[in-house]
Amino acid sequence: AQSVTQPDIHITVSEGASLELRCNYSYGATPYLFWYVQSPGQGLQLLLKYFSGDTLVQGIKGFEAEFKRSQSSFNLRKPSVHWSDAAEYFCVLSGGYNKLIFGAGTRLAVHP
Amino acid sequence: NAGVTQTPKFRVLKTGQSMTLLCAQDMNHEYMYWYRQDPGMGLRLIHYSVGEGTTAKGEVPDGYNVSRLKKQNFLLGLESAAPSQTSVYFCASSPWTSGDQETQYFGPGTRLLVL
Repeated sequence: AQSVTQPDIHITVSEGASLELRCNYSYGATPYLFWYVQSPGQGLQLLLKYFSGDTLVQGIKGFEAEFKRSQSSFNLRKPSVHWSDAAEYFCVLSGGYNKLIFGAGTRLAVHP
Repeated sequence: NAGVTQTPKFRVLKTGQSMTLLCAQDMNHEYMYWYRQDPGMGLRLIHYSVGEGTTAKGEVPDGYNVSRLKKQNFLLGLESAAPSQTSVYFCASSPWTSGDQETQYFGPGTRLLVL
């Protein structure tokens, strides 16, 4: 079965601290993986995507993610968090025919 | 270039009423999608379309109908609204080009409350 698991529902970090959001997927073939961010009351914005090739992908706003096939993971990282990064983050798997399978999301709070 | 737009932004319905949500995109994308977002569940696909005149069911299609009469528009209909359809609805579109086929662009959402 195709699925995405984000183990952490809420995460709180201090401004300037590093961040890692976890994501695990289940898919029978090479996955297409994405991270989207949703600010309060807003739509979704694409942070980065992995299709193939280099397993470390760079995105916007200083985010990066690493694809690890052996662990079925696609964790999102940022070395220094800013208060404006407070939002909900979704790990997403493309299940073929462009149909997206979303994780439940991780809500990030940033303390000053 | 407005991207993906949705109308209306917010609506309150009574149980049993009908309504149509409109999604429009100006990027000449082939594929369009309707999702609903509920707390703690991420987004779930309701229906999608791979081209003008075609539609297909997603993960949670019951209670909804869709139409894609024009390439740039994708309509989501609720024939008889139920409180369980209270949600935030997102429309998205994606191109059909190699290398970018699977990236979807989202609208701002429609918040629907069914009383």
